[in-house]
Amino acid sequence: AQSVTQLGSHVSVSEGALVLLRCNYSSSVPPYLFWYVQYPNQGLQLLLKYTTGATLVKGINGFEAEFKKSETSFHLTKPSAHMSDAAEYFCAVSGPGGGADGLTFGKGTHLIIQP
Amino acid sequence: GAGVSQSPSNKVTEKGKDVELRCDPISGHTALYWYRQRLGQGLEFLIYFQGNSAPDKSGLPSDRFSAERTGESVSTLTIQRTQQEDSAVYLCASSLEGYVGEQYFGPGTRLTVT
Repeated sequence: AQSVTQLGSHVSVSEGALVLLRCNYSSSVPPYLFWYVQYPNQGLQLLLKYTTGATLVKGINGFEAEFKKSETSFHLTKPSAHMSDAAEYFCAVSGPGGGADGLTFGKGTHLIIQP
Repeated sequence: GAGVSQSPSNKVTEKGKDVELRCDPISGHTALYWYRQRLGQGLEFLIYFQGNSAPDKSGLPSDRFSAERTGESVSTLTIQRTQQEDSAVYLCASSLEGYVGEQYFGPGTRLTVT
């Protein structure tokens, strides 16, 4: 069975500062990993995903994440935070059947941007 | 373009009543998923449809929950004899067959059981 742990239910950074949201996973098979963002009163939107190949993946809005197998991590970063980045961020891992098994999500990290 | 839509957006019901939640996936998406998001929790996978077939219903929380899908379009999630612990946001997502992880989510239905 898969599981996802997001460290920190709330993360606060200043505008212009580095954003780092942590995600660790466990999976019995090579994982497919995802970050989704949920803006207030909106549905989840895919930020980026790792399936195979390059371990550093770039997503929308300047976010990127690096898959580190040895650390079972997939942390999300952005060099410079913007006020519009304030949202809930979810890390997820897919099951052994790929998308057919649904995704296992972490509990989410609420990103707060201080002016 | 048209995304995944869900209705109603909000539903308040009394304990013991039945509710039906609806999901309209993106046209052409053969895979459809239901998730539940309780307050302060991550998303909990409930059920997956490939076409109108759901190969595994073990993710449904109890036998009060059922889901069906008509062809490769609308899906309904039905909760019978609702309980207060059923209060949550119910999210639907769809994806192209075999396209791993690229699930497109609807805005959800917020269910409150009083």
